[in-house]
Amino acid sequence: AQSVTQPDIHITVSEGASLELRCNYSYGATPYLFWYVQSPGQGLQLLLKYFSGDTLVQGIKGFEAEFKRSQSSFNLRKPSVHWSDAAEYFCAVGAGPYGGSQGNLIFGKGTKLSVKP
Amino acid sequence: GAVVSQHPSRVICKSGTSVKIECRSLDFQATTMFWYRQFPKQSLMLMATSNEGSKATYEQGVEKDKFLINHASLTLSTLTVTSAHPEDSSFYICSGTHPKETQYFGPGTRLLVL
Repeated sequence: AQSVTQPDIHITVSEGASLELRCNYSYGATPYLFWYVQSPGQGLQLLLKYFSGDTLVQGIKGFEAEFKRSQSSFNLRKPSVHWSDAAEYFCAVGAGPYGGSQGNLIFGKGTKLSVKP
Repeated sequence: GAVVSQHPSRVICKSGTSVKIECRSLDFQATTMFWYRQFPKQSLMLMATSNEGSKATYEQGVEKDKFLINHASLTLSTLTVTSAHPEDSSFYICSGTHPKETQYFGPGTRLLVL
């Protein structure tokens, strides 16, 4: 069955510290992987995506993610967290670059990030 | 990036009434829009895929007669929750596809049915 697991429900880091949010997926075909961020009152914003090629992808706001096929993982990282990064982060997998042939994305349950001053 | 709006942002209604939620792509034409439902501390679950000018495709387990979707134009899709009940209370999110890009999501609509 297709699924996305984000093991950490809530993470708190200090401002300026590094961050890694975990994401594991189960998918029968070549996965297209996405990370989204959701802030209160805002729509989900795409941080980055992986389709093929270099397994380390760079995104917006200083985020990066590394695709590891052997571990079925696509962890999100940031070297130095800012207070404005506090939000909910969702990992998603799809069957195509636009989220699948029918467009649907399978989302993880999300990880809430809190940032301490 | 492209912008998708939803209206209303939150709505409270009485059990048995119907509620309409609008999803608009403000600066692009969305040939396909998606409707998701998000329960507290849960992931987004796709409810249906809506293509402009045709009937929506519903995911398994989603009642099409209860969740009416209309995609009358390339910039507007509506979700109507008919005869709403407390168990329909949730956070509803729409998204639209932008050519050669991934989905752009709206800010969501929180529905509370009393």
